[in-house]
Amino acid sequence: QKEVEQNSGPLSVPEGAIASLNCTYSDRGSQSFFWYRQYSGKSPELIMFIYSNGDKEDGRFTAQLNKASQYVSLLIRDSQPSDSATYLCAVNSPSNDYKLSFGAGTTVTVRA
Amino acid sequence: EAGVAQSPRYKIIEKRQSVAFWCNPISGHATLYWYQQILGQGPKLLIQFQNNGVVDDSQLPKDRFSAERLKGVDSTLKIQPAKLEDSAVYLCASSQGTAGNTIYFGEGSWLTVV
Repeated sequence: QKEVEQNSGPLSVPEGAIASLNCTYSDRGSQSFFWYRQYSGKSPELIMFIYSNGDKEDGRFTAQLNKASQYVSLLIRDSQPSDSATYLCAVNSPSNDYKLSFGAGTTVTVRA
Repeated sequence: EAGVAQSPRYKIIEKRQSVAFWCNPISGHATLYWYQQILGQGPKLLIQFQNNGVVDDSQLPKDRFSAERLKGVDSTLKIQPAKLEDSAVYLCASSQGTAGNTIYFGEGSWLTVV
């Protein structure tokens, strides 16, 4: 079982819609959860992090964490063409010396 | 604040040749990472330094890869001899500490082995 799993996509949404990205992780002791955005040919850029169960909102982005279900999601509201990118979920855990484990990423395409 | 600097940005070499990548982390960041990202996959940690000491190199193919961070600032990642499967982006990243600290990535060094 992979440590961090994401649907590879591509996820295609119309402009203005909500894009919903999902991520599951295998280590129940994981503590910190990150979402990175990676444009084609560019390096990953941190857009959100969450540590506690529940929702965390930052502008058009909302991260949702459910530790009992070992599930973290990212919602992008009012999707824009500039949101078209690959979104990487990353998780760290004290059992892994806080090394970041990345999923393979979900590619999002926002249709104008 | 300057970000993580890497060079060269692009490199094409033949198999069995050698290549070296350089990284300068964000000022004041004690922890430096080298990740390998193969097309279509997430980044995979190769080696992690805390100051000039190695914290984790469990996924570094030590028969061909080496890395150093002699003065606790800049770092160099070397591949010798390169194989076709080493074609990837090599991402350097840094953070202030380790536990829960945000990791910031450089632009990456794109390697193609032909």
